[in-house]
Amino acid sequence: GNSVTQMEGPVTLSEEAFLTINCTYTATGYPSLFWYVQYPGEGLQLLLKATKADDKGSNKGFEATYRKETTSFHLEKGSVQVSDSAVYFCALIGNTGNQFYFGTGTSLTVIP
Amino acid sequence: NAGVTQTPKFQVLKTGQSMTLQCAQDMNHNSMYWYRQDPGMGLRLIYYSASEGTTDKGEVPNGYNVSRLNKREFSLRLESAAPSQTSVYFCASSEALMRGPGDTQYFGPGTRLTVL
Repeated sequence: GNSVTQMEGPVTLSEEAFLTINCTYTATGYPSLFWYVQYPGEGLQLLLKATKADDKGSNKGFEATYRKETTSFHLEKGSVQVSDSAVYFCALIGNTGNQFYFGTGTSLTVIP
Repeated sequence: NAGVTQTPKFQVLKTGQSMTLQCAQDMNHNSMYWYRQDPGMGLRLIYYSASEGTTDKGEVPNGYNVSRLNKREFSLRLESAAPSQTSVYFCASSEALMRGPGDTQYFGPGTRLTVL
């Protein structure tokens, strides 16, 4: 079946540090992969996505590359800001069926 | 556009009480979803509706019912609330009738429910 595993948090970084949040997946076929971000007290917002192998999704300085050979979609940012403090969710949708599968979320706190 | 709206934002119930969570979207999306979010569990799908007139169970449907009232609205009902249903509930919608690559879900702000 389909599933997503992402690194457990919480993660605490200083401003301008490099961020990596690991995400690996299990899926049949060719899923689409997503990163969502949830700011305190809000719903989830799409951060970036990739729909096929070797695609790179990017937005607001965040990037993730769809690696089929390692079944991974790690989130990276070169220089985090305090405003990036949030919970980040990795997710996938398979190429059949109607369900999204979410990881458990990784809480990021950036301190000045 | 308001996107996905949910009411109420907060609710406290006593065990055994019933209530309905309302969700509406103004993006003309075909599919709608209800999730619950619990600490350390991520998001778990309760029910979804791939299109108007259809509903299907997700991962954790027990204790819930849903109604896809029309294309815009998808409600979640707790008939007899239990403390285990204390959670944050999110409604989401997406465009595709049949899942396609990159179909994106858009989320509402959530309903924080406490069952005493």
